[in-house]
Amino acid sequence: EAGVAQSPRYKIIEKRQSVAFWCNPISGHATLYWYQQILGQGPKLLIQFQNNGVVDDSQLPKDRFSAERLKGVDSTLKIQPAKLEDSAVYLCASSLAPGLTGGVTGELFFGEGSRLTVL
Amino acid sequence: AQKITQTQPGMFVQEKEAVTLDCTYDTSDQSYGLFWYKQPSSGEMIFLIYQGSYDEQNATEGRYSLNFQKARKSANLVISASQLGDSAMYFCAMTQFRRSARQLTFGSGTQLTVLP
Repeated sequence: EAGVAQSPRYKIIEKRQSVAFWCNPISGHATLYWYQQILGQGPKLLIQFQNNGVVDDSQLPKDRFSAERLKGVDSTLKIQPAKLEDSAVYLCASSLAPGLTGGVTGELFFGEGSRLTVL
Repeated sequence: AQKITQTQPGMFVQEKEAVTLDCTYDTSDQSYGLFWYKQPSSGEMIFLIYQGSYDEQNATEGRYSLNFQKARKSANLVISASQLGDSAMYFCAMTQFRRSARQLTFGSGTQLTVLP
């Protein structure tokens, strides 16, 4: 079974430029998450999708961050314009819909992450 | 709001010894789940173990066990017979249901170093 795919793995940009990250979740996983992990900290949830609808985007800085999940499968996270403090690893994760256990209840499967450096 | 606290920024353990990584949580929910993830230097998050709030027995997965004390709101990870490959960042996380969907909140992590 293929895991969560993310690209690019690394991106270096200058402040005020824009960047986009792509995520393809595990087939059949209805829930998709974007997390931001700043160096030395735990991941922080940015946005959560259930199929193609947004469940929670309360911690997404909407003045510069946007995300979409067209057709309820893959997703794109965009930052425009980037700030120095946006330097972080952006992790995408997916899980089965609530009520479907399929093994460990509620386990999230993570991609390898996209490391962003803003200069 | 729920909160996960990991008070040990770094831990050292001798190879083949056991180590306990601390985790306390705060929630007003009756139904929740507790997870431990491992993050090696390569960056991927690897699921280790899960404990449901209604599970009466402590979860075990190979060399990993979760010491769940519900009244104290603690969910410590015990790694037995440490190996050099266990050196990594370890995150405690809690899931709860919000708006009919599952959310996962992470602690700040503990950096474990296994010494030869």
